[in-house]
Amino acid sequence: KQEVTQIPAALSVPEGENLVLNCSFTDSAIYNLQWFRQDPGKGLTSLLLIQSSQREQTSGRLNASLDKSSGRSTLYIAASQPGDSATYLCAVLLMDSSYKLIFGSGTRLLVRP
Amino acid sequence: NAGVMQNPRHLVRRRGQEARLRCSPMKGHSHVYWYRQLPEEGLKFMVYLQKENIIDESGMPKERFSAEFPKEGPSILRIQQVVRGDSAAYFCASSPRTENYGYTFGSGTRLTVV
Repeated sequence: KQEVTQIPAALSVPEGENLVLNCSFTDSAIYNLQWFRQDPGKGLTSLLLIQSSQREQTSGRLNASLDKSSGRSTLYIAASQPGDSATYLCAVLLMDSSYKLIFGSGTRLLVRP
Repeated sequence: NAGVMQNPRHLVRRRGQEARLRCSPMKGHSHVYWYRQLPEEGLKFMVYLQKENIIDESGMPKERFSAEFPKEGPSILRIQQVVRGDSAAYFCASSPRTENYGYTFGSGTRLTVV
């Protein structure tokens, strides 16, 4: 059974810091891994999608890496800003007929001005 | 392209009533998924549908919950005889017919059972 774990559960940093969020998964049979952002009381915004054959994806100040063999992904946020404060979720797309996304429980990030 | 549209955004129901949640996928997306997020918890898969077919309902409670995605119109998640424990955010997502694309999520319906 696929399990997705995110560490840390919560993180508080001063503005301007570079930070790393971690995601691990137990079964490497995945099609892709997706990082989402969720603001309180809101829906999910897709940040980055990494296919299983890729090693990393970049969008602006965000960089996500994927090491499928070890079951790990990291989301790197450069020069953090208060507007980055949100919960960050990683999810893996299972390599089976259901195309099911399995989510981690998220990292709650607070960037202090 | 308006994205994944869910309505209503907020729904209040008394215990014992029925809740109907609607989801219109993105144009061109034939796969629809429903997820539930309980307060302070992660998102849990409920059901995966394609037009007129339920593909995987392994995450759906066996009683009171049902889902459909008719040939015409939105996907519907129906909860009969709601209880307080059904209070949660229900998210719908859609994707194209391939594993090479990610999911796009709607803004969710927040159900409160009083």
